[in-house]
Amino acid sequence: SSELTQDPAVSVALGQTVRITCQGDSLRTYSANWYQQEPGQAPVVVIYDKNKRPSGIPDRFSGSTSGDTASLTITGAQAEDEADYYCNSRDSSGNHYVFGTGTKVTVL
Amino acid sequence: QVQLVESGGGVVQPGGSLRLSCAASGFIFSDYGMHWVRQAPGKGLEWVAFIQYDGSHKYYADSVKGRFTISRDNSKNMVYLQVNSLRAEDTAVYYCAKDKGYGDYYFDYWGQGTLVTVSS
Repeated sequence: SSELTQDPAVSVALGQTVRITCQGDSLRTYSANWYQQEPGQAPVVVIYDKNKRPSGIPDRFSGSTSGDTASLTITGAQAEDEADYYCNSRDSSGNHYVFGTGTKVTVL
Repeated sequence: QVQLVESGGGVVQPGGSLRLSCAASGFIFSDYGMHWVRQAPGKGLEWVAFIQYDGSHKYYADSVKGRFTISRDNSKNMVYLQVNSLRAEDTAVYYCAKDKGYGDYYFDYWGQGTLVTVSS
């Protein structure tokens, strides 16, 4: 099975930019998706297929991938962006799915 | 609007079994694959299982293969997860999630989850 590694925690000043990374071999083959999870809530997708935003997701959220590393960038972070963020993709088999270890984002 | 409502969680002894259910509405259920994803208390997300739209293909995480069984009833808009031989490490909130489908491989809607606690 594949693994996706994220930094455990990052902090960002209100209105500033933060980038969260996700590293794993499967990202060379399969697209990364990103989910936001607030405490006690179910996850919500914020980026899918590397860089696409679902309707209703603010355009301050963007995604990119280079090689084996995917990134989620929040440009102009807001207080409501404080949450856990998880990347995900398919694993090397293509039939299983894997989540990243998660990053807690704190907005100062 | 899409709704996914899980039920069936509870406290069970090690080695015990439960059947988790997920009631779906707001979309053509028989057109989409469905997943179960779990989250242990204070931990990250773990994909558990997937069932194709027609039930013809099923895939499981290595950690649950042989103990858990995913199934669906398209006439009732329901997906199930039979969890057997439960261990302490299976304690988690279990979410059902809809597969986006049609060439996009992600979870576009999630339920609120049902808690399974394995404890003696």
